[in-house]
Amino acid sequence: AQKITQTQPGMFVQEKEAVTLDCTYDTSDQSYGLFWYKQPSSGEMIFLIYQGSYDEQNATEGRYSLNFQKARKSANLVISASQLGDSAMYFCAMREGYNDYKLSFGAGTTVTVRA
Amino acid sequence: GAGVSQTPSNKVTEKGKYVELRCDPISGHTALYWYRQSLGQGPEFLIYFQGTGAADDSGLPNDRFFAVRPEGSVSTLKIQRTERGDSAVYLCASSLGLAGQETQYFGPGTRLLVL
Repeated sequence: AQKITQTQPGMFVQEKEAVTLDCTYDTSDQSYGLFWYKQPSSGEMIFLIYQGSYDEQNATEGRYSLNFQKARKSANLVISASQLGDSAMYFCAMREGYNDYKLSFGAGTTVTVRA
Repeated sequence: GAGVSQTPSNKVTEKGKYVELRCDPISGHTALYWYRQSLGQGPEFLIYFQGTGAADDSGLPNDRFFAVRPEGSVSTLKIQRTERGDSAVYLCASSLGLAGQETQYFGPGTRLLVL
């Protein structure tokens, strides 16, 4: 079974608007971590934001926020005030268990910001 | 720079040849990971080192793939008898390897093309 599901293969957003990227996950572990990475066309994976399963507050990092809904097993990324440089592929990933650090990635969502 | 570095950035080889891909992690990071990313997909886990030992090699696709990290720093991913299906971007990441300090930072990747 797919551990991370990203259902939006591609999205367009107008510059300065907000965009929400969907991510749902599947795990039976109580301890897990959720990550979002950005991959521009240059190919490097850039860490954006992290949410631990026991964190009660939604994570925020500058213009990025993570809408964590534990009961629904969703961890959507919100990018506010989109910029042209936000155009990239975005991946949701999960770490399961307390001592297991490997990540399972979704298929990604391509975001294109229009001027 | 202080980030993860990978060499070579590109590698073209012929089917049946042997290749080595190198990863130099962030200084002080005890955990090191290898992932493989095929075109249009998310990265897939291959192997994870904690120090010098392979803590989890469950993602290696077959016995043609092998990785080492003899001194707990630089790692080499080795692929024997390469096949066209091995063509992909091989990503290396490192982290502090501690619970609560688990964010992985990625290198730029090695693009492998097997002809």
